[in-house]
Amino acid sequence: IVLTQSPGTLSLSPGERAPLSCRASQSVSDSFLAWYQQKPGQAPRLLIYDASNRAAGIPDRFSGSGSGTDFTLTISRLEPEDSAVYYCQQYRSPPYTFGQGTRLEIK
Amino acid sequence: QVQLEESGPGLVKPSETLSLTCTVSGYSISSGYYWGWIRQTPGKGLEWIGSIYHSGSAYYNPTLESRVTISVDTPKNQFFLRLSSVTAADTAVYYCARVLSRSGPWVYWGHGTLVNVSS
Repeated sequence: IVLTQSPGTLSLSPGERAPLSCRASQSVSDSFLAWYQQKPGQAPRLLIYDASNRAAGIPDRFSGSGSGTDFTLTISRLEPEDSAVYYCQQYRSPPYTFGQGTRLEIK
Repeated sequence: QVQLEESGPGLVKPSETLSLTCTVSGYSISSGYYWGWIRQTPGKGLEWIGSIYHSGSAYYNPTLESRVTISVDTPKNQFFLRLSSVTAADTAVYYCARVLSRSGPWVYWGHGTLVNVSS
């Protein structure tokens, strides 16, 4: 399953809302889709799993939605610390695949 | 809490075998869950290499399957990656990780280790 993320780069101001898209080449059944945040020099950090469930310790500013082939990560009330690259990943069927990432810049 | 740490050579010569160890603390591998290896390159991004269950049952990314072996040593609470016949294309940051449940997603990650393939 090929995952395509858009946009490639997003530049927004603090307090704004960021919608990040992940489109799958075929249906991700059971919504086995996750979102990760990665900052420079760090491992990815799990934000959302099963398309819409927040991982432990993740603020409610982060929310996931979607099903089938179209998924969205929405980050509300952007903060400077949200500057990072965000990846989606499907774990429904091997080979488990990741999107190419969306870079979020906070102005 | 669950912690993972990768270790191994940072430099491997072309055509040789890359060998990495993931040492787990805060959780016993024998208690369950899938454990795996993921690598990251600037060109190809994040790539799942393979996963292993505590029983030793492993499965791999078909693009790497002919060169990869993942194994586990439950008494030492470690699991391992071997990638044979490496080329410059295998230069990457290699991460070990554990799933949240079932086949994924990856909730616990090591810090990653950079492996350069060069003569």
